[in-house]
Amino acid sequence: AQSVAQPEDQVNVAEGNPLTVKCTYSVSGNPYLFWYVQYPNRGLQFLLKYITGDNLVKGSYGFEAEFNKSQTSFHLKKPSALVSDSALYFCAVGDYKLSFGAGTTVTVRA
Amino acid sequence: NAGVTQTPKFRVLKTGQSMTLLCAQDMNHEYMYWYRQDPGMGLRLIHYSVGEGTTAKGEVPDGYNVSRLKKQNFLLGLESAAPSQTSVYFCASTPPQGIGWETQYFGPGTRLLVL
Repeated sequence: AQSVAQPEDQVNVAEGNPLTVKCTYSVSGNPYLFWYVQYPNRGLQFLLKYITGDNLVKGSYGFEAEFNKSQTSFHLKKPSALVSDSALYFCAVGDYKLSFGAGTTVTVRA
Repeated sequence: NAGVTQTPKFRVLKTGQSMTLLCAQDMNHEYMYWYRQDPGMGLRLIHYSVGEGTTAKGEVPDGYNVSRLKKQNFLLGLESAAPSQTSVYFCASTPPQGIGWETQYFGPGTRLLVL
């Protein structure tokens, strides 16, 4: 069985401050981990993925994520948040079948 | 390329009515998926297909049927709609085996209200 948990329903940050969205995973074997973003009334957009290799993964729009095997975590980060980053963020695990977390709503205030 | 498209965008049904949601992709993708999104529950996989003529059950298949008669289309059917099927439905697809095969591309969604 595979699953991810996003412990925070909401994250609020001021523009220009660092943004972190947390995700922990549970999977047997090596994990394939993903972050997707959903803007209002839109479908999900792929941000980044970890398959193998470097633990720090860089993705779209200045986002990055750090894979930590010992803590079974895959937190999403952005050094300086923008108001336009306000959206719903999903962590997911799997290969051709994904299991999604419940999502974290990010609000960046001006 | 239009990517992944979904028809219709919004629909209201009465309990017991039937309908079909259409997903189309023009990227020659092999795998296709249907998800439902409900508040606080993320996305849950309903059915998926690993190629033309094949379908398989996902996490929440009850009350739904699917067909993949053509590679580019994946249909989701509700034979007798129930209020519990009120949701936003997303279709997704992934490229053929090779670089990027594991990344899913999503359609814009279909909002369904069952009264």
